[in-house]
Amino acid sequence: ELKVEQNPLFLSMQEGKNYTIYCNYSTTSDRLYWYRQDPGKSLESLFVLLSNGAVKQEGRLMASLDTKARLSTLHITAAVHDLSATYFCAAGTSGTYKYIFGTGTRLKVLA
Amino acid sequence: NAGVMQNPRHLVRRRGQEARLRCSPVKGHSHVYWYRQLPEEGLKFMVYLQKENIIDESGMPKERFSAEFPKEGPSILRIQQVVRGDSAAYFCASSPRITGDEHSPLHFGNGTRLTVT
Repeated sequence: ELKVEQNPLFLSMQEGKNYTIYCNYSTTSDRLYWYRQDPGKSLESLFVLLSNGAVKQEGRLMASLDTKARLSTLHITAAVHDLSATYFCAAGTSGTYKYIFGTGTRLKVLA
Repeated sequence: NAGVMQNPRHLVRRRGQEARLRCSPVKGHSHVYWYRQLPEEGLKFMVYLQKENIIDESGMPKERFSAEFPKEGPSILRIQQVVRGDSAAYFCASSPRITGDEHSPLHFGNGTRLTVT
């Protein structure tokens, strides 16, 4: 059964610093997603990663996928306060329709 | 084009009552997922439905919980005889799942926050 783990669970960082959130999954997956959730709000799709070596960037966020290591990373460059949110990764498997979510990383960027 | 609409946003029920949560998917989406989120936790898969079909309900408790997605109208998640442990945010998501777009991300609603007193 597919399991997804994220670390760290909590991340407090200063504005302007860089950091990486890690997402490991336990079995073969053919798609990996990153979502953002603001407190009390819904989930917003950030990235879809479908192949080994895929890299996508949007503003200060960059996501990558290594299917051999079963690892995806979300890298934050020069963090700003507006990035404070909870970030989830989710993995899915071809032939099934389940999307399994990680536990989330709660990011707080301090001014 | 409206996104996924869930109602109510907040629902308070006393122990033993029934809770009915509604979800209208994005127009044109024929697949609906329900997830539960406990405070400070991630999203747990509950059930995946197509119109008039339950495809996968492996994440749903076998008792008191049921879900449907009729041919007409919204998807309904029904919780009978609610207990305090059912208090959570329940999110609905939809997907087109059409050929050539199998990997599209889920579109989430704003959730229903259920409180059982």
